Amino acid sequence: QKEVEQDPGPLSVPEGAIVSLNCTYSNSAFQYFMWYRQYSRKGPELLMYTYSSGNKEDGRFTAQVDKSSKYISLFIRDSQPSDSATYLCATRTDSWGKLQFGAGTQVVVTP
Amino acid sequence: DVKVTQSSRYLVKRTGEKVFLECVQDMDHENMFWYRQDPGLGLRLIYFSYDVKMKEKGDIPEGYSVSREKKERFSLILESASTNQTSMYLCASSLGRTGNEKLFFGSGTQLSVL
Repeated sequence: QKEVEQDPGPLSVPEGAIVSLNCTYSNSAFQYFMWYRQYSRKGPELLMYTYSSGNKEDGRFTAQVDKSSKYISLFIRDSQPSDSATYLCATRTDSWGKLQFGAGTQVVVTP
Repeated sequence: DVKVTQSSRYLVKRTGEKVFLECVQDMDHENMFWYRQDPGLGLRLIYFSYDVKMKEKGDIPEGYSVSREKKERFSLILESASTNQTSMYLCASSLGRTGNEKLFFGSGTQLSVL
C-alpha cells in the first residue's frame, strides 16, 4: 500500500467551477504537506505548502490538512482553463524525511 | 529563477546499453534528486545527494547509480538498461533541509528502452 493515495482522475470541470482535490495518507508522523502542479511536458512546481493541520489560502487556492482523518485537500475557486494540469500532493515527516508523492490527479477545465 | 536543466528531452536506448542522464542546476543548491514518474505510480525517488560526492538511496535504487562530482551536476546512470526502466526521469534540486523546502524540477527526460 502506498503511503499517499490520490485519485488519478481525470477530473473535468467547467470554467468558473470549484475544483476539489484530495489525498489520504497512512503515516501519522507526516507533518509537512505540499501541493505541486505539473503542466504537460513540464516538471512539477510547488503550488502551496502547509505545516500540520489547518487551512492555508493563496489567491484562488486553498489547502487544507486534517491530521485526525489523514486527509489533504486542495480547492481551486473560479477555475480557469490555465488551471488544467496534474496536481500532486506530497508529504514528509520532518526536514530529514523523504518526500512522499501521491500519483497525481489530472484536472481539465473546459471553457 | 532557479533553472534545472536536463540534457535530453527524449532518449531511445537499447536493452543492455549503459545510459547517462545529466542534470545541472544554476543556483548553488545543496540538494539534488532523481525521480522517475510513471502513470498511476506518481513520483518515486531513485537517489539523492545532500553534498558533493555524497549520495543516498531512495525508494527504488536497484538498477541505477549516481555521480555528483560537482555541486551543480548530478548524473543518473543506468548500468544496463532494461525495458522496465522506460519512464519519465525528473531531476530536482533544493536549497537546504527544512520540512517545507521547495523542490525545483527540470522538464524531464522521457527514456524509452527497446
